[in-house]
Amino acid sequence: QGQLQESGPRVVKPSETLSLICNVSGGSIGSHYWSWLRQAPGKGLEWLGHTYYSGSTTYNPSLNSRLTIAVESSKTQFSLKLISVTPADTAIYYCAHYIARGYNYFGPWGQGILVTVSS
Amino acid sequence: DIQMSQSPSSLSASIGDRVTITCRASQNIKTYLNWYQQKPGGAPKLLIYAASSLQSGVPLRFSASGSGTDFTLTISSLQPEDFATYYCQQSYNTPFTFGQGTKVEIK
Repeated sequence: QGQLQESGPRVVKPSETLSLICNVSGGSIGSHYWSWLRQAPGKGLEWLGHTYYSGSTTYNPSLNSRLTIAVESSKTQFSLKLISVTPADTAIYYCAHYIARGYNYFGPWGQGILVTVSS
Repeated sequence: DIQMSQSPSSLSASIGDRVTITCRASQNIKTYLNWYQQKPGGAPKLLIYAASSLQSGVPLRFSASGSGTDFTLTISSLQPEDFATYYCQQSYNTPFTFGQGTKVEIK
């Protein structure tokens, strides 16, 4: 199922855009779903959304249309863009392989990247 | 959204103890329920999917059951490496949602 690794800026200013990349290695990104989740410091887990390798997406409505998840042209990466961030978006962001085989679950996860929203 | 609630929020147990964690869904989710283990500083790791199916590589002391709205995760004999936070998650429909977590601590 491969390994996942998040990368991107660790600090983002309020009202700006948070952009992250998840690199998938050791497996094909094709014919699979890929998810982003986050965990605010000391809090529980929140699913943000996922993309199918073809580009179709499903988002958590709680993000109020601020979120875009996409498969990158390299086909070994997928991305997250969250616009108009506030300090409430400070969290550890995880990418994960969403296994959809009738019974659905999050398989391998990346190690996570802490992103702080602060001026 | 489907609300997931876990109990207890935390528990203290000794090595060798039998531990049970409960998860309740706000509506019928059949068996679309997964369990994850998260250790401090680490990412969640899948333990159980489809309410009772053990993920490959997970020790047999972990088991789970339930359907509909009520689910349980059991650790038959707690080991030092099992001290962690456990989360349930519904995959019945989007947005996928998690319980608030149960922290298992050393007594």
